[in-house]
Amino acid sequence: EPEVTQTPSHQVTQMGQEVILRCVPISNHLYFYWYRQILGQKVEFLVSFYNNEISEKSEIFDDQFSVERPDGSNFTLKIRSTKLEDSAMYFCASSQRIGGTAFFGQGTRLTVV
Amino acid sequence: AQTVTQSQPEMSVQEAETVTLSCTYDTSESDYYLFWYKQPPSRQMILVIRQEAYKQQNATENRFSVNFQKAAKSFSLKISDSQLGDAAMYFCAYRSPTQGGSEKLVFGKGTKLTVNP
Repeated sequence: EPEVTQTPSHQVTQMGQEVILRCVPISNHLYFYWYRQILGQKVEFLVSFYNNEISEKSEIFDDQFSVERPDGSNFTLKIRSTKLEDSAMYFCASSQRIGGTAFFGQGTRLTVV
Repeated sequence: AQTVTQSQPEMSVQEAETVTLSCTYDTSESDYYLFWYKQPPSRQMILVIRQEAYKQQNATENRFSVNFQKAAKSFSLKISDSQLGDAAMYFCAYRSPTQGGSEKLVFGKGTKLTVNP
């Protein structure tokens, strides 16, 4: 069964460093998303991406964040200068069509020290 | 803005028994989608079931079924014949209608389900 894959599963980075989280969405999906979950809290929407541009972003997704689809398969989330409060589980998701069900990856646990 | 409320932070059930997890939501939209996602200790988000608001029939998926009460804005999840593998965090989520609406999912805070042998 096709699945969304994320790498790495766990990343530790120093405060102020740049980090790139990688995702490979399901191959025939067209809509891509990033969510995050701070430990013990609910899952929060960050950004949606379609047709090589951001279609929607939340207040959390400030200038420190960016997304990119550098080739036909990868979808990345970059945090330019990490802060302690960026420590969270980051989930990538994709859906085949507008209105379709979003399928999630297994997540990347980001720890900022 | 839409909100999703899960009033039960924790629930427990005996193996083979039935448990119902509650979810309510607030929206002014007439058409939308509702979901239940499961998050086991591995923390992966796994889709359990989906309901379109325009469908009156409650969605079912094997041992999982929902009780969708549109007027009451309630969307509960029933797990029948509970199994040890059902132990997880369960999240209720809302999404706007596709045309002109947001594609983002709005999640509740989750209910931690424990299954006792």
